Amino acid sequence: DVKVTQSSRYLVKRTGEKVFLECVQDMDHENMFWYRQDPGLGLRLIYFSYDVKMKEKGDIPEGYSVSREKKERFSLILESASTNQTSMYLCASSGPGTLSYNEQFFGPGTRLTVL
Amino acid sequence: GQNIDQPTEMTATEGAIVQINCTYQTSGFNGLFWYQQHAGEAPTFLSYNVLDGLEEKGRFSSFLSRSKGYSYLLLKELQMKDSASYLCGNAGNMLTFGGGTRLMVKP
Repeated sequence: DVKVTQSSRYLVKRTGEKVFLECVQDMDHENMFWYRQDPGLGLRLIYFSYDVKMKEKGDIPEGYSVSREKKERFSLILESASTNQTSMYLCASSGPGTLSYNEQFFGPGTRLTVL
Repeated sequence: GQNIDQPTEMTATEGAIVQINCTYQTSGFNGLFWYQQHAGEAPTFLSYNVLDGLEEKGRFSSFLSRSKGYSYLLLKELQMKDSASYLCGNAGNMLTFGGGTRLMVKP
């Protein structure tokens, strides 16, 4: 069964802290994505990766960075968390082919609160 | 969502039919996705349209008109479990989602 897992369901951090959100997929997918989801704004793409050590900016990369050292793992990093980064963070992966053509499988999400 | 419009909320009755519309920017279009998301859960894939016309999958159907930049998701024989948010996604250079339509099914 297809599976995308995220390291935490709920996370509370303080302003200025460095935050790591981890995502792992077991489907041998090339493409991985990080989104944030806020009420009324839908899903917004932060970063994506189409191969190990490759990364591309999405719509809202400011304040975030990513790391893809292994095919199955894609990490989202908040270098210095701020209150406006309080959100639901969703990781997704998709299979071979160009990025937009394939069904994306989503993880359960991490609800991050920055105090 | 960027250049994607869909209604914020809809209400329908159990057993009825509901149509959720989505309009999108046509430039750089590479297909139209629909996802279902129950409260507190991850989005799950419903459909992908790249050619004009209606695609039926059980109680759910999705329609696309590329020239009009328009799609809809049709849900038939509504069940209470269909209460969820429905996300329209435009597969351009990257997948861009609308804000989602929250559907409430009432008895």
